[in-house]
Amino acid sequence: DGGITQSPKYLFRKEGQNVTLSCEQNLNHDAMYWYRQDPGQGLRLIYYSQIVNDFQKGDIAEGYSVSREKKESFPLTVTSAQKNPTAFYLCASSIDGTHNEQFFGPGTRLTVL
Amino acid sequence: GQSLEQPSEVTAVEGAIVQINCTYQTSGFYGLSWYQQHDGGAPTFLSYNALDGLEETGRFSSFLSRSDSYGYLLLQELQMKDSASYFCALINTGGFKTIFGAGTRLFVKA
Repeated sequence: DGGITQSPKYLFRKEGQNVTLSCEQNLNHDAMYWYRQDPGQGLRLIYYSQIVNDFQKGDIAEGYSVSREKKESFPLTVTSAQKNPTAFYLCASSIDGTHNEQFFGPGTRLTVL
Repeated sequence: GQSLEQPSEVTAVEGAIVQINCTYQTSGFYGLSWYQQHDGGAPTFLSYNALDGLEETGRFSSFLSRSDSYGYLLLQELQMKDSASYFCALINTGGFKTIFGAGTRLFVKA
């Protein structure tokens, strides 16, 4: 089955620790995205990548880092510099950067204690 | 700047028709998309308008008017399962950045 996966579904970390969220897709999509969603809010773009080995900052990149070494993988690291990291994190992919249909993974709910 | 505005909540009765509006400000974009998200779930793609006019997909239709910087999602024959949040989104042509509206929470009552 083709799709996009994120793991784990729930993640707990202590304040001050870095944590990496995984995102994998087997849809052969060029573009991948990371969003943050807070309760009752919309999606805010953290980072996006249109092609392997290239990525751009979104609207709220501070305190986050990404890599895109493989087409199918786009991991997100939440660093200790992110002041309020507790949120629902969603990864998505699309055929390319201009294609409006994005496919989302199930999300990772991160809680920092 | 770039932004999309949607009503925060809409309530409608089962079997009725509801329209969710989206107004936007952007210097250029490829088209307007709509997504549905149930509580605790991931957004799923519903519809996309690259050109002005109406696009119909089953019970859902979406409309775009670039001259008015306005679009809407129309849901017909509402069902209880349509209770969810609905987001409009666009990809701007300068940098390919995706921007989402804050979402409209739809409550469908029996």
